[in-house]
Amino acid sequence: GGIITQTPKFLIGQEGQKLTLKCQQNFNHDTMYWYRQDSGKGLRLIYYSITENDLQKGDLSEGYDASREKKSSFSLTVTSAQKNEMAVFLCASSISGVGTETLYFGSGTRLTVL
Amino acid sequence: GDSVTQTEGQVALSEEDFLTIHCNYSASGYPALFWYVQYPGEGPQFLFRASRDKEKGSSRGFEATYDKGTTSFHLRKASVQESDSAVYYCALGDSNYQLIWGSGTKLIIKP
Repeated sequence: GGIITQTPKFLIGQEGQKLTLKCQQNFNHDTMYWYRQDSGKGLRLIYYSITENDLQKGDLSEGYDASREKKSSFSLTVTSAQKNEMAVFLCASSISGVGTETLYFGSGTRLTVL
Repeated sequence: GDSVTQTEGQVALSEEDFLTIHCNYSASGYPALFWYVQYPGEGPQFLFRASRDKEKGSSRGFEATYDKGTTSFHLRKASVQESDSAVYYCALGDSNYQLIWGSGTKLIIKP
């Protein structure tokens, strides 16, 4: 088996601040994802990466940047934190990214904006 | 475009009750259908999937049958336990890279 590790678990920032969330996976999966989950709501895709150095925008990419420098890691940057984007950010991976495959998730980073 | 609808935002049951959470989808062809479960403080976990008409997926006492005719993949469990309290997500996947998620159903087991 494998594991997805997200750091930090809790992230507190000031409005307007640039903040970075990190994700590491040891499944050796090709594809990685960043999702945002607002309190009591479903999952919305921010970015995904099919392979190292690839980046694809999801439905919620505005206000975010992503970086996939290594196969095992995928980072997400909030370019200017806003109070209305306090949420849990979930990282996931899958073998090759085709929609018929299983996704494996980390336990999330909870973002608070003051 | 493709979509997934979970009609119940929340379901409250007592222990040993029968559970049904409804999931209907809209898509062409035969997409893969999934159920994921999310416990508090954790990310969603894969429960099971199905990808052919009449195929049954099952895990941990939960099951669902792919029904192309009614475009449904309803989650059922014969006897729920307190440990089943969680949010359940139905999802749809096809040859694209993005999974289509339902809005989730929170299952509350009353003591």
